[in-house]
Amino acid sequence: DTEVTQTPKHLVMGMTNKKSLKCEQHMGHRAMYWYKQKAKKPPELMFVYSYEKLSINESVPSRFSPECPNSSLLNLHLHALQPEDSALYLCASSQPGLAQETQYFGPGTRLLVL
Amino acid sequence: KQEVTQIPAALSVPEGENLVLNCSFTDSAIYNLQWFRQDPGKGLTSLLLIQSSQREQTSGRLNASLDKSSGRSTLYIAASQPGDSATYLCEGNYGQNFVFGPGTRLSVLP
Repeated sequence: DTEVTQTPKHLVMGMTNKKSLKCEQHMGHRAMYWYKQKAKKPPELMFVYSYEKLSINESVPSRFSPECPNSSLLNLHLHALQPEDSALYLCASSQPGLAQETQYFGPGTRLLVL
Repeated sequence: KQEVTQIPAALSVPEGENLVLNCSFTDSAIYNLQWFRQDPGKGLTSLLLIQSSQREQTSGRLNASLDKSSGRSTLYIAASQPGDSATYLCEGNYGQNFVFGPGTRLSVLP
């Protein structure tokens, strides 16, 4: 199974709402990532968890809060977002430390903030 | 700072043509380089991974090469088809620091 799943596929939320994005993989990977992608731009790294510990936080606003409950799950909690946060949010996983380390991406959650 | 660039930004070709997409990286201390395909509004699909010790990888009509000394990778697509229309991204792996290029938007016209 080389699949990374993300739920929901689409999300519309108001600026006062609280919502969560979910990502799951069962490949035994110990690194998981959140990316934000705006239209016609490459993905921008937001967070990296390695062995369930937050290892990289690319200066993301605190209205985005990541959580890694276990090695298979990654959540992104959203609160008080702004319209400019509307984007495609991608999750990825990889197995650290391998020369052939490959990132596997999920299909993404399309987020619209009104 | 590690940077990855891709040229051209967009490319339109008639069906059946062979084509080359280019990726350049500033830091040659790369673990591996991965080529992805992305359809509009969708996630990324991995096409080919080249390890730093390898020179090229092939999968079907796709061939990717890596030249660390010059900081370049190319993705060669043979006999292009309309279904190849997508954005192609290269990504350098610097040891859990993954750096994307901006992508090349490819249109293959029937």
